Amino acid sequence: QPVLTQSPSASASLGASVKLTCTLSSGHSTYSIAWHQQQPEKGPRLLMNLNRDGSHNRGDGIPDRFSGSSSGAERYLTISSLQSEDEADYYCQTWGTGFRVFGGGTKLTVL
Amino acid sequence: EVHLVESGGGLVQTGGSLRLSCAASGFTFISYTMSWVRQAPGKGLEWVSYVSSSSDAIYYADSVRGRFTISRDNAKNSLYLQMNSLRAEDTAVYYCARDVSTGYFDFWGQGTLVTVSS
Repeated sequence: QPVLTQSPSASASLGASVKLTCTLSSGHSTYSIAWHQQQPEKGPRLLMNLNRDGSHNRGDGIPDRFSGSSSGAERYLTISSLQSEDEADYYCQTWGTGFRVFGGGTKLTVL
Repeated sequence: EVHLVESGGGLVQTGGSLRLSCAASGFTFISYTMSWVRQAPGKGLEWVSYVSSSSDAIYYADSVRGRFTISRDNAKNSLYLQMNSLRAEDTAVYYCARDVSTGYFDFWGQGTLVTVSS
């Protein structure tokens, strides 16, 4: 089954944009993923599912400041017009029959 | 509006048992696969188990297989996790999540904390 790799941390300034990366392990570059956000002391919420061709569908109530894209084995989450409430942990997730897998998460700091 | 509310967490001794419940509302429960996901203190998310809509497909993470049992009662719109032979490393917040048929989680509960201590 795939392994998902994420950078442990990222930072960007209020009002700026940031691009987070999730890398699928070798041999698994065709997998779709989902991006989840976890704000401090809260449960996770779905941001979007993201396909290999970059097409994506946002979760319930997610603003279009959140967008996704793909290139090879890389899956990206771009957050534009950063707000203070975007400071959170971001997890990518993939799946198959009999398994669900998460990346290690990226802690985003909004400066 | 989709709601998932977990309950049943608490403090349990090493080797003990605990049963978690998840009450679902706001959607047709019988139509969805459901999962349990956990998060140890200060750590990332770890998938635990999923059960298909009719309970004909059940899978577990290697870390819990043989000790945990997932089940559901579609008449009660409820999901369960029976946890036996608990270890310190099972200490975590346990989340119930709705599992879209393709395999990702589109709604999550707020979680229930399980602490395993000697």
